[in-house]
Amino acid sequence: AQKVTQAQTEISVVEKEDVTLDCVYETRDTTYYLFWYKQPPSGELVFLIRRNSFDEQNEISGRYSWNFQKSTSSFNFTITASQVVDSAVYFCALIKGGTSYGKLTFGQGTILTVHP
Amino acid sequence: GAGVSQSPSNKVTEKGKDVELRCDPISGHTALYWYRQSLGQGLEFLIYFQGNSAPDKSGLPSDRFSAERTGGSVSTLTIQRTQQEDSAVYLCASTLGQGWETQYFGPGTRLLVL
Repeated sequence: AQKVTQAQTEISVVEKEDVTLDCVYETRDTTYYLFWYKQPPSGELVFLIRRNSFDEQNEISGRYSWNFQKSTSSFNFTITASQVVDSAVYFCALIKGGTSYGKLTFGQGTILTVHP
Repeated sequence: GAGVSQSPSNKVTEKGKDVELRCDPISGHTALYWYRQSLGQGLEFLIYFQGNSAPDKSGLPSDRFSAERTGGSVSTLTIQRTQQEDSAVYLCASTLGQGWETQYFGPGTRLLVL
């Protein structure tokens, strides 16, 4: 079975601070896919990134960056120079590879509040 | 193009009543998923549809829950004899079809059972 753990329940920062959201996963599969989703107050889950288990290359997209380390089973997400609009709940999730469908296993989510 | 749409946005019902929740996936997406988000359980998978294949119902919490997908497009999630513990946000997602592909979510239906 797969498991995703987001140990940080809530994080509060002041605008322009950098913040890292931690994600640790457990799976016995060699092929899997990792995701981050953002859930703003409106409630809709917004896709941010997908990574497959064979690609450990870190990724940067504007103020967002992701650090994938298979050695520690972690897929952490950093927001640089945070803004109030970044306030949301962030979910890390995993899909088992090698199957015909993708049941997402989610972490419990991290509530990020960015104060002006 | 249009994203995943769900209706109603909010639903308040009395315990014991039946409810139907609707999901319209992204045009051309063959796979459709239902998830439930509740305070105590977080986000959990309910059911999966892929094309004309039999759905994977392994996540449905009880036999009061059922879902169908007509014409390979619109899906309806039905909860019979609702209970207070059914109160949650019900989210629908769709993908092009492959299991590893990104799931795009709708805005959800917020169900409150009084």
